Amino acid sequence: QVQLQESGPRLVKPSQTLSLTCTVSGGSISSGSYYWSWIRQPAGKGLEWIGRIYTSGSTIYNPSLKSRVTISIDTSKNQFSLKLSSVTAADTALYYCARTRWTGGSFYFDYWGQGTLVTVSS
Amino acid sequence: QSVLTQPPSVSGAPGQRVTISCTGSSSNIGAGYDVHWYQHLPGTAPKLLIYVNTNRPSGVPDRFSASQSGTSASLAITGLQAEDEADYYCQSYDTSLSVVFGGGTQLTVL
Repeated sequence: QVQLQESGPRLVKPSQTLSLTCTVSGGSISSGSYYWSWIRQPAGKGLEWIGRIYTSGSTIYNPSLKSRVTISIDTSKNQFSLKLSSVTAADTALYYCARTRWTGGSFYFDYWGQGTLVTVSS
Repeated sequence: QSVLTQPPSVSGAPGQRVTISCTGSSSNIGAGYDVHWYQHLPGTAPKLLIYVNTNRPSGVPDRFSASQSGTSASLAITGLQAEDEADYYCQSYDTSLSVVFGGGTQLTVL
């Protein structure tokens, strides 16, 4: 059973960079044709996809966040990471990592982490 | 404002059938991109409920089903149970925004 766990600072100051890591257990991050995504949910709002990475390192980001987002992968540690720069209070959210599958007609997320709440505040 | 539109809430009594709609446009569901559904209990990891329009992952009861037509999709839950009380999200792919979600629907079991 694949499990994902988010980790990183829970409090980030405005204008700084938010950094989170997702550790994958129960399977290799390099095996299979999987992508790995970050998704967030601001309080009281819906889910927002941030971006995804393939084991090769290729990435695609949500256009609305693209200028501030970097997702990277470390296959030796079975981890992938998110960096979101120049954060504001609007970036306060529950951040999830998820294993991502391509159907040929869409992407979907078959395993999710529990989520970690990141607050942007001075 | 989510790209896919869902009703904010639905409710039903135990044993009843409820449906949750998900309305998109010609750039996502109407373009033929697959629709997927998730069940989310606050404080827990979202759970994949339906993938590729109509398929249930192993372990998901057949009380959950989904359909798609034109620019819309819907999730149906029959034989409603108290444990079904959760938030439900639809998700698809959009030619301009990549992965898109609905705003979520809160299901209340009366």
